[in-house]
Amino acid sequence: DAMVIQNPRYQVTQFGKPVTLSCSQTLNHNVMYWYQQKSSQAPKLLFHYYDKDFNNEADTPDNFQSRRPNTSFCFLDIRSPGLGDAAMYLCATSRVGVVTEAFFGQGTRLTVV
Amino acid sequence: GESVGLHLPTLSVQEGDNSIINCAYSNSASDYFIWYKQESGKGPQFIIDIRSNMDKRQGQRVTVLLNKTVKHLSLQIAATQPGDSAVYFCAENSENRDDKIIFGKGTRLHILP
Repeated sequence: DAMVIQNPRYQVTQFGKPVTLSCSQTLNHNVMYWYQQKSSQAPKLLFHYYDKDFNNEADTPDNFQSRRPNTSFCFLDIRSPGLGDAAMYLCATSRVGVVTEAFFGQGTRLTVV
Repeated sequence: GESVGLHLPTLSVQEGDNSIINCAYSNSASDYFIWYKQESGKGPQFIIDIRSNMDKRQGQRVTVLLNKTVKHLSLQIAATQPGDSAVYFCAENSENRDDKIIFGKGTRLHILP
């Protein structure tokens, strides 16, 4: 059974049109992460939550925002997608005390046209 | 910038042989080093981690070695199988960076029949 679920698997959006990617988890983990992964590159951390505490990476563009309304759900909002934002977006969770073992969703592949 | 990186982008290994994937790191303050496996079209999957005060840790068919003198980390996979084909990432976590998991560049492992 999937424990970290990302919807949709594939998303096509227009240049400049806001888009939201969603992630849900059934693990009841405190920590949730959003990573951006471009082709043949390592996942790059955008931000993460410890419960409701939001931690933004210094180099994450303002164009990227996130919301975590409750433990189970987390959203990635891209306010004005550019062509350079086309990537795989990965959501992950981990449990405090065992943060090294993160559980990843299958990702959402975003295409910007 | 990234604090971990890999020596080789691609490794080809005969089925049944042992595989050794290497990683160099620069952050001496890392508390944990972690290996993740990413199969095509999937999110990364945790394999094994090692605390920075250890030299070796074994799992099922995998061994991680840590050489702090030369800041080098390796993942050894015994009796490589077709299902081991994937991209392998080393990653690190520092307690002074809270819950972050920072990924290094990946190595693609090809299994030859």
